[in-house]
Amino acid sequence: EPEVTQTPSHQVTQMGQEVILRCVPISNHLYFYWYRQILGQKVEFLVSFYNNEISEKSEIFDDQFSVERPDGSNFTLKIRSTKLEDSAMYFCASSAEQGRGSYNEQFFGPGTRLTVL
Amino acid sequence: TQLLEQSPQFLSIQEGENLTVYCNSSSVFSSLQWYRQEPGEGPVLLVTVVTGGEVKKLKRLTFQFGDARKDSSLHITAAQPGDTGLYLCAGVGVGYSTLTFGKGTMLLVSP
Repeated sequence: EPEVTQTPSHQVTQMGQEVILRCVPISNHLYFYWYRQILGQKVEFLVSFYNNEISEKSEIFDDQFSVERPDGSNFTLKIRSTKLEDSAMYFCASSAEQGRGSYNEQFFGPGTRLTVL
Repeated sequence: TQLLEQSPQFLSIQEGENLTVYCNSSSVFSSLQWYRQEPGEGPVLLVTVVTGGEVKKLKRLTFQFGDARKDSSLHITAAQPGDTGLYLCAGVGVGYSTLTFGKGTMLLVSP
């Protein structure tokens, strides 16, 4: 069964460093998302991406964050200068359809645990 | 701002018991999804409901979407220890494409 994959599973970095989290969405999906989950808190939306551009983003997704689809399979989240409060699980998700009347079923990857020291 | 309130937050029951978990909002959702999440892993999609009043069954799990598409419930019949986990509801708001998650219900089923 096709699944979303993410690498690395765990990333430890120093405050102020740049990190890139990688995701391979399900191959025939067109819509891609990043969510994060701070320990003990609920899953929060960061950004959605379609047709090589951001379609929606939350207040969390400030100028320190960027997303890219560098080729036909990978989808990345970059944090330019990490802060302590960026420590969280970051989940990538993808869906085949979107919009009114669609199921918009989003399938999640296993996550990357980011620890900022 | 769309909010999804899940109740109860924690539920500890014995194997064989039935239970219901609720997901409520004041907002209308175009679809609502239920996920199950294990510690340190990503949410795994269980079901999606789209139509008001819709009922879907997945083995011993029954999902219902409220008539007004503002609430949903998950009923588990004859719970088993393998049902233990965090159950999350997440909705796609009308006119949006992103998921708003509830905080989840942590279910513990003891043998």
